[in-house]
Amino acid sequence: GEDVEQSLFLSVREGDSSVINCTYTDSSSTYLYWYKQEPGAGLQLLTYIFSNMDMKQDQRLTVLLNKKDKHLSLRIADTQTGDSAIYFCAVLKHNNNDMRFGAGTRLTVKP
Amino acid sequence: EAGVAQSPRYKIIEKRQSVAFWCNPISGHATLYWYQQILGQGPKLLIQFQNNGVVDDSQLPKDRFSAERLKGVDSTLKIQPAKLEDSAVYLCASSFPGGGETQYFGPGTRLLVL
Repeated sequence: GEDVEQSLFLSVREGDSSVINCTYTDSSSTYLYWYKQEPGAGLQLLTYIFSNMDMKQDQRLTVLLNKKDKHLSLRIADTQTGDSAIYFCAVLKHNNNDMRFGAGTRLTVKP
Repeated sequence: EAGVAQSPRYKIIEKRQSVAFWCNPISGHATLYWYQQILGQGPKLLIQFQNNGVVDDSQLPKDRFSAERLKGVDSTLKIQPAKLEDSAVYLCASSFPGGGETQYFGPGTRLLVL
């Protein structure tokens, strides 16, 4: 399978929480990232977590890492219409040279 | 702090033509990356530079793609000759070694090959 996998679509109502999930294959990944991409724009770094952490919170964003299951999630609290975008999970492989991206999850926020 | 700059933002060419993209990384960032992002997919690394040396170009189609970073700052990526399947967004990113290897991306160049 692919190195990094994500579900392709997620739709939520404004004000709800969004949870975007990601699984990866390389257990020796050192850093794990969440990027946001709006239409016609480059990738904006949202947050990242080091592999020796299991949780990181930054305002409305919460990242959870389950190293045993090689599962990463991004929770967006109080989702707003401006959060509509494609969210990419990325993992830095153990040699620190090679970053692998998922195919992206398109988040749609309905008013 | 200025971000990663790329130009042009859009380019339309016919197959078998040549094209070049330019990237100016964030000041002080020694590491520079070129990615190819095909529609509906995540970015795929083409080449990574550390200063003016190539660290990894294992996924660069060297028969048609070339890249250089002569003075360790700006970089150009060239495709010659272009194929239809090269239609994609070409993203440049940079990072500061020791900064968690966090990569900061430019807006990308959207290439359409007809």
